[in-house]
Amino acid sequence: GQQLNQSPQSMFIQEGEDVSMNCTSSSIFNTWLWYKQDPGEGPVLLIALYKAGELTSNGRLTAQFGITRKDSFLNISASIPSDVGIYFCAGQLSSNTGKLIFGQGTTLQVKP
Amino acid sequence: DGGITQSPKYLFRKEGQNVTLSCEQNLNHDAMYWYRQDPGQGLRLIYYSQIVNDFQKGDIAEGYSVSREKKESFPLTVTSAQKNPTAFYLCASSRTGTGGRTRTQYFGPGTRLTVL
Repeated sequence: GQQLNQSPQSMFIQEGEDVSMNCTSSSIFNTWLWYKQDPGEGPVLLIALYKAGELTSNGRLTAQFGITRKDSFLNISASIPSDVGIYFCAGQLSSNTGKLIFGQGTTLQVKP
Repeated sequence: DGGITQSPKYLFRKEGQNVTLSCEQNLNHDAMYWYRQDPGQGLRLIYYSQIVNDFQKGDIAEGYSVSREKKESFPLTVTSAQKNPTAFYLCASSRTGTGGRTRTQYFGPGTRLTVL
């Protein structure tokens, strides 16, 4: 099936540092979504991107929809302990079905 | 409050038994989805429904069944045919229509199923 390659798989950083993660695919997507999941909870939508080249911010988070429509990145600036969790990217192949393809996730740990 | 609810939060089942997971939404969304999540992996689509009384298989539908008799509800049954049912199950919903913006999916809190 379709796959997204998300990297890095895990990160262990110091509080205050900036974080960057990305997703790439061989397929073209018309939507990119970034979710955060806390342990034992459902994913929460952080940022949604709907147009190639789009750059969107949500507080300390910034995400971009790649020009080729095959990649996206998420940056977190000045990390804090509550940023800990698993971050997933998801790409939507077709708006007709709404089906999403998920990356494997990036586990972020922040040391105070 | 608008949102998606899943119950129960934790579910234990004996091997060979069927079990049904509940998913309800009051967001007035037409589309609903079921995903399975295993440790260290992304979400995999089990079934999805775009309208009442209609649903389609996702990537890993074997051993699962669903129904969509009401817009608000999309229960998932894990049957005894599912060889490795222990996992975290997530339900999501979205609006329908063309355009990615209308199709953004929102998730429930999940149900952790453990087969004993």
